[in-house]
Amino acid sequence: DGGITQSPKYLFRKEGQNVTLSCEQNLNHDAMYWYRQDPGQGLRLIYYSQIVNDFQKGDIAEGYSVSREKKESFPLTVTSAQKNPTAFYLCASSDSLNTEAFFGQGTRLTVV
Amino acid sequence: DAKTTQPTSMDCAEGRAANLPCNHSTISGNEYVYWYRQIHSQGPQYIIHGLKNNETNEMASLIITEDRKSSTLILPHATLRDTAVYYCIVRFPYSGGGADGLTFGKGTHLIIQP
Repeated sequence: DGGITQSPKYLFRKEGQNVTLSCEQNLNHDAMYWYRQDPGQGLRLIYYSQIVNDFQKGDIAEGYSVSREKKESFPLTVTSAQKNPTAFYLCASSDSLNTEAFFGQGTRLTVV
Repeated sequence: DAKTTQPTSMDCAEGRAANLPCNHSTISGNEYVYWYRQIHSQGPQYIIHGLKNNETNEMASLIITEDRKSSTLILPHATLRDTAVYYCIVRFPYSGGGADGLTFGKGTHLIIQP
């Protein structure tokens, strides 16, 4: 089935370690996005990518990095520079920036 | 800053129509209005979008005022499974470069009461 897959669903890391969250889509979408969601809050945009090898910072990019080497993949690295990394992370894709976005089921990252 | 204003929460009785308002007074002529919803601990789900005409699909109806400064999402016969946070978003169509990411506000928490 076509869709967008995030893995793992739950992730635990020690403070000070970098961690990479996976996002894969087989929808042939050009645009992909990463969001962060904290309890009781809306979604905040971290990074987005319109095409392969291109990405733009969102509202809260500090402490995060991304790559877009393949159309179907948009991994997010949470670095040790991110002061409050514990959150629910959501990945999305769309076939252009004008159409509906499809979301993955999210990765809940806990840093201890 | 989010371009939309929504009430923080709303209640609706099961079986009734749920009407969710959204103000977007600074919307520009070619920005679309999108609605998504998020059930607890899941990824958001697309509901509907429109530019200036009213739209209807199997999930909901979208009513956009003539001046386009506000809109209303209507769930015609709300069920308990419609309890979720509903997000109203405005965005430009794809322009080949320089377009914004998809920006969410805090949304409206809709609670369907049995």
